[in-house]
This record gives sequence, structure tokens and C-alpha cells, in this order.
Amino acid sequence: GAGVSQSPSNKVTEKGKDVELRCDPISGHTALYWYRQSLGQGLEFLIYFQGNSAPDKSGLPSDRFSAERTGGSVSTLTIQRTQQEDSAVYLCASSFGSLGAAYGYTFGSGTRLTVV
Amino acid sequence: SQKIEQNSEALNIQEGKTATLTCNYTNYSPAYLQWYRQDPGRGPVFLLLIRENEKEKRKERLKVTFDTTLKQSLFHITASQPADSATYLCALMPMNRDDKIIFGKGTRLHILP
Repeated sequence: GAGVSQSPSNKVTEKGKDVELRCDPISGHTALYWYRQSLGQGLEFLIYFQGNSAPDKSGLPSDRFSAERTGGSVSTLTIQRTQQEDSAVYLCASSFGSLGAAYGYTFGSGTRLTVV
Repeated sequence: SQKIEQNSEALNIQEGKTATLTCNYTNYSPAYLQWYRQDPGRGPVFLLLIRENEKEKRKERLKVTFDTTLKQSLFHITASQPADSATYLCALMPMNRDDKIIFGKGTRLHILP
């Protein structure tokens, strides 16, 4: 596609429920990143996929968070048993591989998650 | 500890003047530094990159400087316009090349007509 597409754009969920957030990167971009942005905070790295390599999960805040990337394209971020502190905007970005990061990430518009 | 610091207070600049935003970093050795623009409800948009061996980079009305001695980058918008109002994020790629860009919290810029 022309840009990075994320869905849903907004999600309100009850505490304890599971949620799935979807990211469709730019076609041909081999690297995909998930960040989250809380009010007044910077972008917090969550997970990074590069081609067929094992993902870098070093930013995931707890084992309730997981992500997968199918066929080197679409990615899904899953949060199990959501907590109120999970409320944030979840941003997905893609780039032309790790070296392509030098040309900047292309971000989606994000999914605003609210846990009530 | 490692930090990227941007002025958390909003910056108000009169239209037509030059806006200058500051990014300071601590305990990083950047391979390069990037600047992004973020509008409300949108993801960041990449603007400029400057490498650790470069002093200055320009793109239209934008100029970025990089001082590795001061551990600082300055981002300038000349002839500022109300449409330049947004939050500007500084980001760096550490030299250890673990391929994750680290972002600052951003500075909100208001260009006053």
C-alpha cells in the first residue's frame, strides 16, 4: 500500500480482556517496528521484525504482550489481560531493512487503546 | 543513564521568524540522528537525518546541526509559518547498531500568526 496502515484506529476495552492490533506495512519494507506512546511520553520501543530473523522482543513490557508477523508482511500485536496502564497509542513503523532505518521510519497513524 | 532530552515546554515563535529546537543526549554514541514531525492524532513523519561525521544538513527551510562534542543537535525552521506548528521529535540510532531508533519526547512548536 501507499503507507503503513493500522487498525483499528481506536479501541476501548475492559480491563482483563485481550486485544489485537494490526499493522500492514509498506510493500517491500522488510523491517517492522512497534512502539507505544503514552501521554507526555516519548515513543517506547516494543518489538522489531527484520525479514525472517527472530524478532527483537527486548522492549516488550511483560509476557502479556506478544507480536507476530506473518509472511514477512502484516503484523499483529496482542495484549492479553489488559491493564489500565496499557492505555496508550500503539504505533507501527516500517523501513527498507535495518540499513533503511537511515532513511527514516514510515509510521502508521496508530491505534489509540483505552482500557477501562 | 542514557537519555535523549528535548525541551518539554512548548515553544511559541512569531510567524516569519526562525524556530530553533534543541536535542541533547547523554551516554549515547549516535551513528546518526533524525528529526521527525508529529501532528495530533498522527504518527511521526521523517524529516531529516544527519550522520555523526556531518556538521550540518539542510532541506528547504529546515536546517539541522550536530555537535558530537556538545552531544547536541539543533533543528531550525526558517521563515516559519503557522503550518509548521506541530511536535518535533529527535531520534538517534546508537553506534552499537542494534537497529532500534531511540526517540526523545518531543517539543511542541506553535507558530503565531
